Amino acid sequence: EIVMTQSPATLSMSPGERATLSCRASQSVSSTLAWYQQKPGQAPRLLIYDASTRATGIPARFSGSGSGTEFTLTISSLQSEDFAVYYCQQYNNWPQTFGQGTKVEIK
Amino acid sequence: QVQLVQSGAEVKQPGASVKVSCKTSGYTFPSYGISWVRQAPGQGLEWMGWISAYNGKTNYAREVQGRLSLATEPSTSTAYMELRSLISDDTAIYYCARDSPYNGLDVWGQGTTVTVSS
Repeated sequence: EIVMTQSPATLSMSPGERATLSCRASQSVSSTLAWYQQKPGQAPRLLIYDASTRATGIPARFSGSGSGTEFTLTISSLQSEDFAVYYCQQYNNWPQTFGQGTKVEIK
Repeated sequence: QVQLVQSGAEVKQPGASVKVSCKTSGYTFPSYGISWVRQAPGQGLEWMGWISAYNGKTNYAREVQGRLSLATEPSTSTAYMELRSLISDDTAIYYCARDSPYNGLDVWGQGTTVTVSS
């Protein structure tokens, strides 16, 4: 099973700042990696798939990069609605696996 | 628009089984798979399993293998998840999600709360 490790666990940021979230896979997953955003009481929402492709309706301030074992989600300028928990997920191998999440909180 | 609507909350005793439905609409059902993901209170996301809506092929996470069964009913574009021999650690919100082979889990159901308690 591929283990996905996200860092940091918590990111304390101010609105307007740039946020960088990391995700590492225990073995290569090529580019088959997705990022999700989850707000309290809501289902997760797909942000990025194939490591760098924004899902439909996702603002351009969200970008993904990386391949193999190292991935990054960048939020170029945090808006109030972006404070949430973010998960990475690999779908290259069975079983699919999620990282433990990074909480982006208001500083 | 694409929608996945799940059945309502359940309360079960330890040792019982639970069956959750996920009714889809707005797309061609056999063209995508359905993954099931759960989230225990205050915890992260845990992928449980996947079923092809095309041919019924399944893949399960090791943690629930043997207790989890996934199925589809093509005539109603509905997917089902059954978890047996419930324990308290199965208390969670259970989500179904449309699974595209190359696009991740792009549409999610609203979630179904399953509480296991005596």
